[in-house]
Amino acid sequence: SQKIEQNSEALNIQEGKTATLTCNYTNYSPAYLQWYRQDPGRGPVFLLLIRENEKEKRKERLKVTFDTTLKQSLFHITASQPADSATYLCALDVSGGYNKLIFGAGTRLAVHP
Amino acid sequence: DGGITQSPKYLFRKEGQNVTLSCEQNLNHDAMYWYRQDPGQGLRLIYYSQIVNDFQKGDIAEGYSVSREKKESFPLTVTSAQKNPTAFYLCASSIQTGTYEQYFGPGTRLTVT
Repeated sequence: SQKIEQNSEALNIQEGKTATLTCNYTNYSPAYLQWYRQDPGRGPVFLLLIRENEKEKRKERLKVTFDTTLKQSLFHITASQPADSATYLCALDVSGGYNKLIFGAGTRLAVHP
Repeated sequence: DGGITQSPKYLFRKEGQNVTLSCEQNLNHDAMYWYRQDPGQGLRLIYYSQIVNDFQKGDIAEGYSVSREKKESFPLTVTSAQKNPTAFYLCASSIQTGTYEQYFGPGTRLTVT
């Protein structure tokens, strides 16, 4: 079965540093991968989408890479701020582009002043 | 003010009772989804609908039912057959199925005792 792994331990970093979160998957070749941000008690908010033929995507301070050989995506937040503290979820399309997603459990990021 | 609304925010029910969770969107999206989120786990897909009057089971549909009589509305009924109904329920929508971001509602926390 498809499996998505995100680091279950919280990531603690100092303000201004770059946060790097990892998403590993097995047993599937997704057409694309998405990253979402979720704050406690709230619904996830979409951040970035990267397709299988794209190596890297950027949006402001965010960068996502997608290595289909390693079956891994890395999510980077540069110049991190305390307001970036949240749980970040990765999600894979498992329906060949029909938007049926499987979500990882998420990694909690805490940015300290 | 466009978006997805879910009501109520918190819901309490006694075991053995069916309960219906509301989800409404005014984004003119064709596709709608229901997810369940438990502590330490990723979002799991319950049901999804690509178009009015059509819906498909997700990965954990047992004990749940849905309807899609209007484009804007996708209510979820948690039946007494659902063995562990206490969870955080999230509704989402996307323009259509395909490579599109999903927009999430604020969620309903259901507690069954």
